[in-house]
Amino acid sequence: NAGVTQTPKFQVLKTGQSMTLQCAQDMNHNSMYWYRQDPGMGLRLIYYSASEGTTDKGEVPNGYNVSRLNKREFSLRLESAAPSQTSVYFCASTRDRLYGYTFGSGTRLTVV
Amino acid sequence: KNEVEQSPQNLTAQEGEFITINCSYSVGISALHWLQQHPGGGIVSLFMLSSGKKKHGRLIATINIQEKHSSLHITASHPRDSAVYICAVLGGAQKLVFGQGTRLTINP
Repeated sequence: NAGVTQTPKFQVLKTGQSMTLQCAQDMNHNSMYWYRQDPGMGLRLIYYSASEGTTDKGEVPNGYNVSRLNKREFSLRLESAAPSQTSVYFCASTRDRLYGYTFGSGTRLTVV
Repeated sequence: KNEVEQSPQNLTAQEGEFITINCSYSVGISALHWLQQHPGGGIVSLFMLSSGKKKHGRLIATINIQEKHSSLHITASHPRDSAVYICAVLGGAQKLVFGQGTRLTINP
């Protein structure tokens, strides 16, 4: 089925460990986004990629890096995980910012 | 003050009731989105509005650009409508800014 696929769905990390969250879309969308969702707060933008080959910081980029590997894939890396990065992470994509957004199913990350 | 404020934060109603969720924003926008997040966590786009009104099944979304206000209405509510409804605006920086969400519970 067409959509945004995120992996993994769940992950537990120890403080200081690294990991990469994967996101892929098969809708030929230009723009891709990484958000985090914390209790009592709205989704917050971590990084985005307006088109293949470009990435930009969002509202809360510290502690994260991203790679737009190709038009389909946009990965989020935590180099040294911290408990403050415990959150639910969502990847999203859109053809153009004035079109609807498609979200992945989320990754629930716990850092202990 | 958040750029996007939703009210109420929590809403419990009986099956069949007419539901209204409100969204107010403080920035100039080019579009407003309503999203639905089910208990399992997935987020689905319901509407994108830049003016007027849109309807899809039992869901109706309206926006008043001058008042900087949007409403999401659900007619003949059903327990399967229970979810968190999120308002998001596409602001001057051309990035979505999200409200905190409204948790809706419809009891049978």
